[in-house]
Amino acid sequence: GQQVMQIPQYQHVQEGEDFTTYCNSSTTLSNIQWYKQRPGGHPVFLIQLVKSGEVKKQKRLTFQFGEAKKNSSLHITATQTTDVGTYFCAGREGNRDDKIIFGKGTRLHILP
Amino acid sequence: DGGITQSPKYLFRKEGQNVTLSCEQNLNHDAMYWYRQDPGQGLRLIYYSQIVNDFQKGDIAEGYSVSREKKESFPLTVTSAQKNPTAFYLCASSKGAGRTYNEQFFGPGTRLTVL
Repeated sequence: GQQVMQIPQYQHVQEGEDFTTYCNSSTTLSNIQWYKQRPGGHPVFLIQLVKSGEVKKQKRLTFQFGEAKKNSSLHITATQTTDVGTYFCAGREGNRDDKIIFGKGTRLHILP
Repeated sequence: DGGITQSPKYLFRKEGQNVTLSCEQNLNHDAMYWYRQDPGQGLRLIYYSQIVNDFQKGDIAEGYSVSREKKESFPLTVTSAQKNPTAFYLCASSKGAGRTYNEQFFGPGTRLTVL
């Protein structure tokens, strides 16, 4: 079945440094979503990428979808303490089934 | 306010008892989902429903049951057959029906502890 792998599992960065998390699927995806979960909270949707090679930006966050639609990345420039949390990617194979498969997430710690 | 609610936030049960977790949404979403979250395991899909009166097993359905009698409600029962039920349970909903843009909205979660 479909698997979504996410690395790294944990990342500690100094405040102001950049951060990147990577997501890889065993199968071609129709789209990929990214979510953020603050400590003690629930996942909140950040963005969805649909097109091959798509790049989207949200302020300091840059999201990419690979050309083969099997991998994706989230890059945060100049991290801030508000970026703390776990970032999940979630991939969807087809467009008819609403099921998506979540990666295990990358937990980001910011050192002041 | 539109949203998705789960109750209670914390739940304690004795081993061997069935327990039902509530999930309600007023977003008029067709699809609803139940996930289990354990430390370091991410989100694992238990059951999902794309339409009223229909639901499908996810990756870890054993020991759980659901119903979808109303569009707004998708309760999850954790049965005594679930070997390790202590976990954080998250309910989510989405517009569904195979839409291309189909973000999921999550409830605040229920933390279940079985003693």
